[in-house]
Amino acid sequence: DGGITQSPKYLFRKEGQNVTLSCEQNLNHDAMYWYRQDPGQGLRLIYYSQIVNDFQKGDIAEGYSVSREKKESFPLTVTSAQKNPTAFYLCASSPSREDYTFGSGTRLTVV
Amino acid sequence: EDQVTQSPEALRLQEGESSSLNCSYTVSGLRGLFWYRQDPGKGPEFLFTLYSAGEEKEKERLKATLTKKESFLHITAPKPEDSATYLCAVQRSSSASKIIFGSGTRLSIRP
Repeated sequence: DGGITQSPKYLFRKEGQNVTLSCEQNLNHDAMYWYRQDPGQGLRLIYYSQIVNDFQKGDIAEGYSVSREKKESFPLTVTSAQKNPTAFYLCASSPSREDYTFGSGTRLTVV
Repeated sequence: EDQVTQSPEALRLQEGESSSLNCSYTVSGLRGLFWYRQDPGKGPEFLFTLYSAGEEKEKERLKATLTKKESFLHITAPKPEDSATYLCAVQRSSSASKIIFGSGTRLSIRP
């Protein structure tokens, strides 16, 4: 079955550490996205990529980095510069300018 | 600035009690309005896309409608399994493919 796989489902980070969240899709979609969701809030866009080897900052990119070396993969690194990283992270993909397909999310907690 | 506002924040209904969720939006040139369903701890699941005022779409007990300023998600004779957070999102026609989300309505259906 085609879909988006996010891993891990739960992730714990110590202060000062960088962590990387994985996102893989086998839908052959060109565009991929990373969103952050906090309790009681909507999804906020971190980064997006419309094509391999190209990506753009979203509304809250500070403290995050991404790469898009393969069409299927769009990993997100949460760096130590991100002041409040505890949140639910969602990856999505879409064919050009169509509705999104979401992964099941990664819940990141700072310990 | 593009904005999506959903109301109410939370809604509790008795099984079989019909109601509507509201999504008000301001966007420069709407390309599409999307409705998603999100269960706790999971990624959003696509429900509908609406493209022009007057358009309606239905799926089981759900019906989405669109005007020039807002969209409604009508739920008829809901069942407990309809309990979820419902997210509204808009896509501007002139932008890249990114979508802007509202904060959602938490719907709870009591048996």
